[in-house]
Amino acid sequence: GAVVSQHPSRVICKSGTSVKIECRSLDFQATTMFWYRQFPKKSLMLMATSNEGSKATYEQGVEKDKFLINHASLTLSTLTVTSAHPEDSSFYICSAGQVRQPQHFGDGTRLSIL
Amino acid sequence: QKEVEQNSGPLSVPEGAIASLNCTYSDRGSQSFFWYRQYSGKSPELIMSIYSNGDKEDGRFTAQLNKASQYVSLLIRDSQPSDSATYLCAVNRSNFGNEKLTFGTGTRLTIIP
Repeated sequence: GAVVSQHPSRVICKSGTSVKIECRSLDFQATTMFWYRQFPKKSLMLMATSNEGSKATYEQGVEKDKFLINHASLTLSTLTVTSAHPEDSSFYICSAGQVRQPQHFGDGTRLSIL
Repeated sequence: QKEVEQNSGPLSVPEGAIASLNCTYSDRGSQSFFWYRQYSGKSPELIMSIYSNGDKEDGRFTAQLNKASQYVSLLIRDSQPSDSATYLCAVNRSNFGNEKLTFGTGTRLTIIP
């Protein structure tokens, strides 16, 4: 069964809306989770590393004020796309892993900004 | 040189044949290696992990690792149309699942009925 749960699976909203995506680790505690973005027919792109109890680590070129990450507990990380615009439309995916265990991905969130 | 390199394909294989997917990596300090399968419009799904040199078999899948050559491969025996997907090779410097992975760009595999 799935070890990482992501919600919602799809969001369609108007430009300027802020959208929150949740990523939960099931049955294990994840001190670190990862957020990716993937455009159609393109590779996964790591956006940031979410650290429980501290600030996220963003990859180069990713705006931290645009993509807010909160890792409030050992089983939940959230990604908020603030004031979303059409160019933010993409497939957002989270992953999490345990020590000496492979990472597993959530089912992804397809975000469409009109 | 990219950190993790894969042939982007597409790779076409007849149904029932063996599909062979290859991956090279540049960081000699890499410790753990993974193959993920991604269907179009879906998130990646872990299919194999390998940590030591040699072969690791799981059903129709065999992962092969050669650290000296910095090479990891995935063999799919008795290929089925449902194996048609993009296969992502991923590498980690440690054995800790809480450290970020480095992905290749993926190989698109098509199994021809």
